[in-house]
Amino acid sequence: AIRMTQSPSSFSASTGDRVTITCRASQGISSYLAWYQQKPGKAPKLLIYAASTLQSGVPSRFSGSGSGTDFTLTISCLQSEDFATYYCQQYYSYQYTFGQGTKLEIK
Amino acid sequence: EVQLVESGGGLVQPGRSLRLSCTASGFTFGDYAMSWVRQAPGKGLEWVGFIRSKAYGGTTEYAASVKGRFTISRDDSKSIAYLQMNSLKTEDTAVYYCTREQMTTVVIPFDYWGQGTLVTVSS
Repeated sequence: AIRMTQSPSSFSASTGDRVTITCRASQGISSYLAWYQQKPGKAPKLLIYAASTLQSGVPSRFSGSGSGTDFTLTISCLQSEDFATYYCQQYYSYQYTFGQGTKLEIK
Repeated sequence: EVQLVESGGGLVQPGRSLRLSCTASGFTFGDYAMSWVRQAPGKGLEWVGFIRSKAYGGTTEYAASVKGRFTISRDDSKSIAYLQMNSLKTEDTAVYYCTREQMTTVVIPFDYWGQGTLVTVSS
């Protein structure tokens, strides 16, 4: 199975900051990469698919980039509601796999 | 409004079976692949498996950790997806989510999720 590795695993930031989370695939996955946001006790929410396509209704401060093995999720100006855990997921191979998650906390 | 509602979770002993249901509404169920994703307490997300729409053969794929023990099926007439779990292990304890995937010229993964149902495997 393709292994997805996110970094960092957790970090602290302040409202208004620009933050970037990275995701690396153990082999090339073209652009078959999605990003999800999950808040405690809630189901995940799709933010971005196809590496850079913003899901309908998701604020434009979220953006994604990358292809092949290296991907990034950027939040341009953190809002209070963005403090959550973020997961990347590859859907290139039919053994779909998620990254281990990045927990974004308030500084 | 798109809704996915899981049911059937609960406490079950190791080695026993359990069947989860995911009842869908608000969209044409038969046009979508349906997946199950689980999350062990305090852990990350793990894809369990999916079933393609009939247009794509209605076939299934599974994670290695559940292959041979879990079976996904669907009843398009009732808009329900099922997860049959056999030979349950303590490590199968998790919240189980169902989610849909659009598999057409543009694949849109997991755009709607249910609220999840907790399965606890313990003696």
